[in-house]
Amino acid sequence: GENVEQHPSTLSVQEGDSAVIKCTYSDSASNYFPWYKQELGKRPQLIIDIRSNVGEKKDQRIAVTLNKTAKHFSLHITETQPEDSAVYFCAASKNFNKFYFGSGTKLNVKP
Amino acid sequence: DAGVIQSPRHEVTEMGQEVTLRCKPISGHDYLFWYRQTMMRGLELLIYFNNNVPIDDSGMPEDRFSAKMPNASFSTLKIQPSEPRDSAVYFCASSFPPTSGVNEQFFGPGTRLTVL
Repeated sequence: GENVEQHPSTLSVQEGDSAVIKCTYSDSASNYFPWYKQELGKRPQLIIDIRSNVGEKKDQRIAVTLNKTAKHFSLHITETQPEDSAVYFCAASKNFNKFYFGSGTKLNVKP
Repeated sequence: DAGVIQSPRHEVTEMGQEVTLRCKPISGHDYLFWYRQTMMRGLELLIYFNNNVPIDDSGMPEDRFSAKMPNASFSTLKIQPSEPRDSAVYFCASSFPPTSGVNEQFFGPGTRLTVL
């Protein structure tokens, strides 16, 4: 099956700085890569996703890049704000149904 | 729509007892997923259904776990007998079919299970 690795496990940045979270996957057939944000005690919620036919996608302060050859994808958050503090999960899927999640990155944005 | 609904939100039980978790997916979604979240193992997919039929239960840890979906608006995850290592947050999620172009899985609020 698919194996998704996520780094770093924790990330602390100063408000206004950028944050980058990286994931690798093992199954070259994976074609859908969502990112979920989970605030403390809350449910995971989709913040951005990318399909394998696209190399980059941006939505305001967040962007995701995908390198199919290297089998890795990254989440970029610019101009971080304290409300960006949460745990972020990447995932990979090859049929848009079964998601394999990474282990999560706890992002702390210091005011 | 109220989103995915789960009950109970918190469950504390003693080892050996039967536990039943409940989920109501978003109306119109025909995929339903059960996940377990722990600090050690992260977010694990236990089982998922399509049109009420179990498609992949390879994540179900052992025979003590069972899941059913008797109709499009209700699913249960049962643990019998429960053990302390089952303590976790259990999430239910639902989604439209892949052909819809909307691939997001919408998560419920979760059930925090504590087995003493």
